[in-house]
Amino acid sequence: DAGITQSPRHKVTETGTPVTLRCHQTENHRYMYWYRQDPGHGLRLIHYSYGVKDTDKGEVSDGYSVSRSKTEDFLLTLESATSSQTSVYFCAISSTGQMSGYTFGSGTRLTVV
Amino acid sequence: DQQVKQNSPSLSVQEGRISILNCDYTNSMFDYFLWYKKYPAEGPTFLISISSIKDKNEDGRFTVFLNKSAKHLSLHIVPSQPGDSAVYFCAATPTNAGGTSYGKLTFGQGTILTVHP
Repeated sequence: DAGITQSPRHKVTETGTPVTLRCHQTENHRYMYWYRQDPGHGLRLIHYSYGVKDTDKGEVSDGYSVSRSKTEDFLLTLESATSSQTSVYFCAISSTGQMSGYTFGSGTRLTVV
Repeated sequence: DQQVKQNSPSLSVQEGRISILNCDYTNSMFDYFLWYKKYPAEGPTFLISISSIKDKNEDGRFTVFLNKSAKHLSLHIVPSQPGDSAVYFCAATPTNAGGTSYGKLTFGQGTILTVHP
């Protein structure tokens, strides 16, 4: 196992509630990413981090925020969940940020009702 | 706008035959390409990659071909095995072309490969 854990694995929440997903790594990798996977879209980048407290927006960042206060944890927050945010969320880590492949977590299936 | 496209949602092949998965891209800044394999309820796993300075990269049963002029890449699996049944994603990224890509990958929609015994 590459040392990347996502929690929770499954969550059902109501529209309008805040939700935080956690990604934890034990690899001491610098780069961390949050993607969402939806049918017909593949995986789309939400936010990424290139170091502690260094984060930036990806392709589909609206409605999401992130924080990275320490190397090992990257949190994704849905401030006010909407049904369009029902998806499978994947965290990924990378040591170099380029050229090498990511290592993905097992995903969090989020359902907003 | 989908910058990386996998136009075949699914592919079905017989065990032992060749599987060919295709991917097209539109962004000329992309110069590094990767293939990922995904089983249900698991995260994608890295399979093989290719830099734009090459037109072919081989790793065991897996070969990726890149045609830069056509902005097209393909993954060949020979021979195909039932354990290869999964969703395959191609992905692309620009390398550091005066900026920093930070490894932001752009993925295609995925192709479901089914290999029948």
